[in-house]
Amino acid sequence: GNSVTQMEGPVTLSEEAFLTINCTYTATGYPSLFWYVQYPGEGLQLLLKATKADDKGSNKGFEATYRKETTSFHLEKGSVQVSDSAVYFCALAGGTSYGKLTFGQGTILTVHP
Amino acid sequence: DAGVTQSPTHLIKTRGQQVTLRCSPKSGHDTVSWYQQALGQGPQFIFQYYEEEERQRGNFPDRFSGHQFPNYSSELNVNALLLGDSALYLCASSLSGGGANVLTFGAGSRLTVL
Repeated sequence: GNSVTQMEGPVTLSEEAFLTINCTYTATGYPSLFWYVQYPGEGLQLLLKATKADDKGSNKGFEATYRKETTSFHLEKGSVQVSDSAVYFCALAGGTSYGKLTFGQGTILTVHP
Repeated sequence: DAGVTQSPTHLIKTRGQQVTLRCSPKSGHDTVSWYQQALGQGPQFIFQYYEEEERQRGNFPDRFSGHQFPNYSSELNVNALLLGDSALYLCASSLSGGGANVLTFGAGSRLTVL
């Protein structure tokens, strides 16, 4: 079956530091890949997505590239802000499972001033 | 434009009881999915409703059931509650077809089973 593995957390950074959160996946076929963010007390929000190999998703300074050869979708941001503190989830949707997402366990990011 | 709204936001039940959670999808969305998020874990897919029918189901027992109404709103019912059912229950709505994987989530209903 499908699965998503995220790097162990939590991650603590200083403001303006570079961020990488690793995500690898196992899936049959050609899944779509997503990063969702969850701020305290709120629901998950779609941050970015990629639907085919070598696609790069980007939003709010965050980027992730769909790497089929390494089955990875690592999240990066060049300069984090305190407001980026949240929980980040990597997820995939199988080719025929519309709306049925498989999530990783989440990575807590804390950014200090 | 209201997003996904869920009620109640918090509730406490005892083992063996039954609970009903409610969800109103984002305006224009016709598909509702339910997820269970245990503390410190990622959400797990419970089931999905479209056109008032269950279209997909995850690995959850029959104690978990749902319903979708003609206005696309949805309910999640859990019978014979167990301690392990304590979690944040998330409702997500989407458009059928090509937009089905772009989910809009509500803030969730936090269920505590004592």
